[in-house]
Amino acid sequence: KAGVTQTPRYLIKTRGQQVTLSCSPISGHRSVSWYQQTPGQGLQFLFEYFSETQRNKGNFPGRFSGRQFSNSRSEMNVSTLELGDSALYLCASTSGLLATGDTQYFGPGTRLTVL
Amino acid sequence: DQQVKQNSPSLSVQEGRISILNCDYTNSMFDYFLWYKKYPAEGPTFLISISSIKDKNEDGRFTVFLNKSAKHLSLHIVPSQPGDSAVYFCAATLTGANNLFFGTGTRLTVIP
Repeated sequence: KAGVTQTPRYLIKTRGQQVTLSCSPISGHRSVSWYQQTPGQGLQFLFEYFSETQRNKGNFPGRFSGRQFSNSRSEMNVSTLELGDSALYLCASTSGLLATGDTQYFGPGTRLTVL
Repeated sequence: DQQVKQNSPSLSVQEGRISILNCDYTNSMFDYFLWYKKYPAEGPTFLISISSIKDKNEDGRFTVFLNKSAKHLSLHIVPSQPGDSAVYFCAATLTGANNLFFGTGTRLTVIP
């Protein structure tokens, strides 16, 4: 089975621009979660989508948004980029629910640099 | 507010010895815990997990122990190998949720 894929792997943007990142989950996985990793804040949860609906959301401003398509692929968008948005953005897919014994598998991430 | 904490930023261990990585949490509602290993510029790789109804789970060289009363879990790696050198994250989640709360990570270095 192919793993979680993310595109692009690297991205450079300037302040004020917007960016869209893409994630394809493992085949059959319906839950897609997004995380941000920065040196200062560590790994932080952004949001989770399940069957095209946002099921959970972390503590991030409204500039961060996402969506999920009927094939479970997901995109996240960041508008009006700030320097502090420079981070590794990770996508993860889960078959069902973690607490029932499922595992969350991560993609390689998209490294976003905001200049 | 960091609900999952890893108080040791780094750990060095001789090859063949045991590595013990520790993790503490504050939210008593967490009921599922996972350990991930991460290399720079890559996504975390799942290692092992444990449900709150258990106190131990073993998978090959990896064993996770959970002490609910102390809100503490640990990952034991025996024997440690140079290829285990990476940053290890513990994570926790709640019933019915797939959002993970991560610790800050511990960099393990296994010395040949």
